[in-house]
Amino acid sequence: GAGVSQSPRYKVAKRGQDVALRCDPISGHVSLFWYQQALGQGPEFLTYFQNEAQLDKSGLPSDRFFAERPEGSVSTLKIQRTQQEDSAVYLCASSLRLNTEAFFGQGTRLTVV
Amino acid sequence: KQEVTQIPAALSVPEGENLVLNCSFTDSAIYNLQWFRQDPGKGLTSLLLIQSSQREQTSGRLNASLDKSSGRSTLYIAASQPGDSATYLCAPETGTASKLTFGTGTRLQVTL
Repeated sequence: GAGVSQSPRYKVAKRGQDVALRCDPISGHVSLFWYQQALGQGPEFLTYFQNEAQLDKSGLPSDRFFAERPEGSVSTLKIQRTQQEDSAVYLCASSLRLNTEAFFGQGTRLTVV
Repeated sequence: KQEVTQIPAALSVPEGENLVLNCSFTDSAIYNLQWFRQDPGKGLTSLLLIQSSQREQTSGRLNASLDKSSGRSTLYIAASQPGDSATYLCAPETGTASKLTFGTGTRLQVTL
């Protein structure tokens, strides 16, 4: 595709619900990243994939967060038993390979009520 | 752990002015540094990427410099326009996962 695409753009979840956020990276991009951006803050790293391999998940805040990229293209970030503190914008980025320019999607704004 | 500071936090200038945004980072072992802009409610748009071996990079009215050893980068915007109003974020890339570390950004407003 022309750019990184994320869906849904907005998600409202009741506390305790599970949510799944989707990221379609730029075609052919090997590297894929997820970031979390709280209101008024810069994005913070969550996890990194090289093709289908999750090489770094050190930024995931708890074991309720899980990410996958089974075929090395589309990625899904899943949050189980959502809490109010999970409310944030979740950004996906892709790059052709390591150490090259990163391109971000529009993000998914998650609100937990 | 990499930490990024951006000064000033907010800036308001009249149209036509040249301006400089500052970024400092604590870990100089970076692969590169990217500058982004973020419009309200939107994702990040990449502006410039400077490799660690480079001193500066230019794109149109934008010029970014990098002093890796002192942990500093600046973004120079020439002849500012109202359309430049946005939050500007710098992000050095470090570590085996090439993760980007962001500051809280500089919120720029260019007035008519």
